[in-house]
Amino acid sequence: AQSVTQLDSQVPVFEEAPVELRCNYSSSVSVYLFWYVQYPNQGLQLLLKYLSGSTLVKGINGFEAEFNKSQTSFHLRKPSVHISDTAEYFCALISSGSARQLTFGSGTQLTVLP
Amino acid sequence: EAGVAQSPRYKIIEKRQSVAFWCNPISGHATLYWYQQILGQGPKLLIQFQNNGVVDDSQLPKDRFSAERLKGVDSTLKIQPAKLEDSAVYLCASRQGVWETQYFGPGTRLLVL
Repeated sequence: AQSVTQLDSQVPVFEEAPVELRCNYSSSVSVYLFWYVQYPNQGLQLLLKYLSGSTLVKGINGFEAEFNKSQTSFHLRKPSVHISDTAEYFCALISSGSARQLTFGSGTQLTVLP
Repeated sequence: EAGVAQSPRYKIIEKRQSVAFWCNPISGHATLYWYQQILGQGPKLLIQFQNNGVVDDSQLPKDRFSAERLKGVDSTLKIQPAKLEDSAVYLCASRQGVWETQYFGPGTRLLVL
């Protein structure tokens, strides 16, 4: 069985400061990793994904994430956040050989303060 | 390109009543998912369709939940009878190819009183 752990349920940060949202995973097989963002009263939107190749993945809105197989992590980073980045962020994985089903973490609420 | 459509957006019912949600995926997307998102948690898969067939419904509480996708396009999810613990956001998502992105609808927020 696979699982995703998001270590911080809430992350407050000041505008223009850098931020890192942590994600660790557990799986006995190869995984493909994703970060989704959910704005209030909206569905989930894909930020970025790692399927293969370079372990540093760049996504939309200036976000990037690094896949670290040895540490089973896929942390999300942004060098300078904006008020508009305030949202819930979900890390998710798909296990190889599965029916391409996403397993989500419990989410991290990012709040950007003025 | 139109996104995934869901209706209604909000629904309040009393326990033991029934409720139905509707999802229209992006045109051409063969795979359709229903997720349940309880407050403070990540989405949990309820059922996955490939065209009009069920791929996985192992996490669907079949004593009260049912879902169908008769013509391989839009889908309905029904709860009968509803329980207090069914209060959640129900998300629909669709995907075209095997490694294509899952696109999510805005969700239906259900409150069971």
